[in-house]
Amino acid sequence: AQKVTQAQTEISVVEKEDVTLDCVYETRDTTYYLFWYKQPPSGELVFLIRRNSFDEQNEISGRYSWNFQKSTSSFNFTITASQVVDSAVYFCALSEEPSGYSTLTFGKGTMLLVSP
Amino acid sequence: DVKVTQSSRYLVKRTGEKVFLECVQDMDHENMFWYRQDPGLGLRLIYFSYDVKMKEKGDIPEGYSVSREKKERFSLILESASTNQTSMYLCASSPRQGRTYEQYFGPGTRLTVT
Repeated sequence: AQKVTQAQTEISVVEKEDVTLDCVYETRDTTYYLFWYKQPPSGELVFLIRRNSFDEQNEISGRYSWNFQKSTSSFNFTITASQVVDSAVYFCALSEEPSGYSTLTFGKGTMLLVSP
Repeated sequence: DVKVTQSSRYLVKRTGEKVFLECVQDMDHENMFWYRQDPGLGLRLIYFSYDVKMKEKGDIPEGYSVSREKKERFSLILESASTNQTSMYLCASSPRQGRTYEQYFGPGTRLTVT
């Protein structure tokens, strides 16, 4: 069975600090997809990134970067120079459905609090 | 832009009532999903649908049913609401074209059952 673990329940940082959110997954499939979502206080989940199991290249998007390592089954998310607007709950998710149903297994989320 | 809307942001119902939560998406997506979100438990899949009139159970379907009569609309039904169904309910949709796509979420409905 697939599983996603976000061991950090809550992280508090001061603005401009860098912060890394950890995600460890378990799957028996060789083809799978990993996702990160952000849930701000308003409640709506916002898609951040999708990664497939064959692409281990790290990705950077502005202050956000993702480190995918199959050897350790991890897909960590780093925010550089954090801002108050980054305060949110962040979810990592895994999909093993290449058939197209796109069902996701979510981790329990990490609440990030960025203080001014 | 994909738009997923849910009929209510907040809902208060009494134990035993029949409750309908409605979700509509405007991007012609085949897949639609219902999750509930509880503190410390993350998001858990209740039901999903990959086509009109088709449905599949998720991880926690007990106490719920769904209906998909039109492609754009996916309803979650609580036949007889109970207090342990107090939760945030999130609807999502995604396209289905033989690949795994990201899901797009609605704003959520916070349901309180008293």
